[in-house]
Amino acid sequence: EIVLTQSPGTLSLSPGERATLSCRASQSVSSSYLAWYQQKPGQAPRLLMYGAFSRASGISDRFSGSGFGTDFTLTISRLEPEDFAVYYCQQYGSSPTFGPGTKVDIK
Amino acid sequence: QVTLKESGPVLVKPTETLTLTCTVSGFSLSNSGMGVSWIRQPPGKALEWLAHIFSNDEKSYSTSLKSRLTISKDTSKSQVVLTMTNMDPLDTATYYCARTFRGFDPWGQGTLVTVSS
Repeated sequence: EIVLTQSPGTLSLSPGERATLSCRASQSVSSSYLAWYQQKPGQAPRLLMYGAFSRASGISDRFSGSGFGTDFTLTISRLEPEDFAVYYCQQYGSSPTFGPGTKVDIK
Repeated sequence: QVTLKESGPVLVKPTETLTLTCTVSGFSLSNSGMGVSWIRQPPGKALEWLAHIFSNDEKSYSTSLKSRLTISKDTSKSQVVLTMTNMDPLDTATYYCARTFRGFDPWGQGTLVTVSS
């Protein structure tokens, strides 16, 4: 099983700032199968990025993904009030796994 | 518009079997490459993938829960069913289904299942 680790656990930032979220895998993950999700309290997760670099339908270009192998990054260029949430990375190969999440909260 | 909706009991007793149904609309379970996954999330905790099934009937299960899970689909009814045996209070969680194709998108609203006697 591929274990995903996310850092930091919590990121405290102000609106307008840049957020950089990290996801590290215990073994190499095909970039084709790396995704990021956003979850707000009381809501189901929402797909942000798939294939490590591709934005899902309707997702703002403030969100971008990068990385390969075992290290991946989600960047939010300028935080808007609606971006404060929990973010999960996921590898969706034959046996998908999720990371523990990074909470982005308001400083 | 693609939607998924979970249904099932809100309360089950320890040792009972849980049966959840995911009813999909806006796409067919027979569409090549399409699948449906089940995911759960205990209160205040992270997401955990449980199982998936694809249009070609390929199935896969979480290694840690494999012995307790069965996933199946009824294409004519646009439904995917997950059963989990021998339920335990630690299985209390919100259970989601999601279309599986280039990631999990979209997700159903989720259904909270509480395991308690």
